[in-house]
Amino acid sequence: AQKVTQAQTEISVVEKEDVTLDCVYETRDTTYYLFWYKQPPSGELVFLIRRNSFDEQNEISGRYSWNFQKSTSSFNFTITASQVVDSAVYFCALSEAPWLTGGGNKLTFGTGTQLKVEL
Amino acid sequence: DTAVSQTPKYLVTQMGNDKSIKCEQNLGHDTMYWYKQDSKKFLKIMFSYNNKELIINETVPNRFSPKSPDKAHLNLHINSLELGDSAVYFCASSQRGLQGGRGYTFGSGTRLTVV
Repeated sequence: AQKVTQAQTEISVVEKEDVTLDCVYETRDTTYYLFWYKQPPSGELVFLIRRNSFDEQNEISGRYSWNFQKSTSSFNFTITASQVVDSAVYFCALSEAPWLTGGGNKLTFGTGTQLKVEL
Repeated sequence: DTAVSQTPKYLVTQMGNDKSIKCEQNLGHDTMYWYKQDSKKFLKIMFSYNNKELIINETVPNRFSPKSPDKAHLNLHINSLELGDSAVYFCASSQRGLQGGRGYTFGSGTRLTVV
């Protein structure tokens, strides 16, 4: 069964600090996909990144970066020089590849990390 | 054009009523989903349909009945609403093989409040 753990329930930082959100996943599949979503106070789910299990390259997008380590089953997310607009709940999620054996896709979410960035 | 659109955005209703939430996607995806986000923000899959066929039903009460008239639409009907049904319901779509950069595309959510 697939599982995602986000151990940090809430993180508070002061603007311009760097912050890392942790994500640890469990899966028995060798093919799987990892995602990060942002949920601002307005409530929509904003896609941030998708990473395939066979691509361990880290990714940087502006102030955002992701560190994928298969050896530790982790997919951590770092925001550099945080801003008040980064305040949101961040979800890590995992999707296996059940279509390979006739099953149905599902995205399993972690419990989310509430990030508060203060002035 | 909104890729995955849900209606209504807000729904307030009394216990015992029956209500429906509609979802439509214009991405040409073959798979659609309903997710529920509870008051603690926990997101969990409820149903998944592939080309109008139910392929995932995650131990959801029988009062919830999804219907997919075609692969672009997935509606959720809820009978005899209970207080515990209050949540945000997200519709999503994807290609079954998760082709495409984002994999899944989510609607903006329907906030259901049962009073």
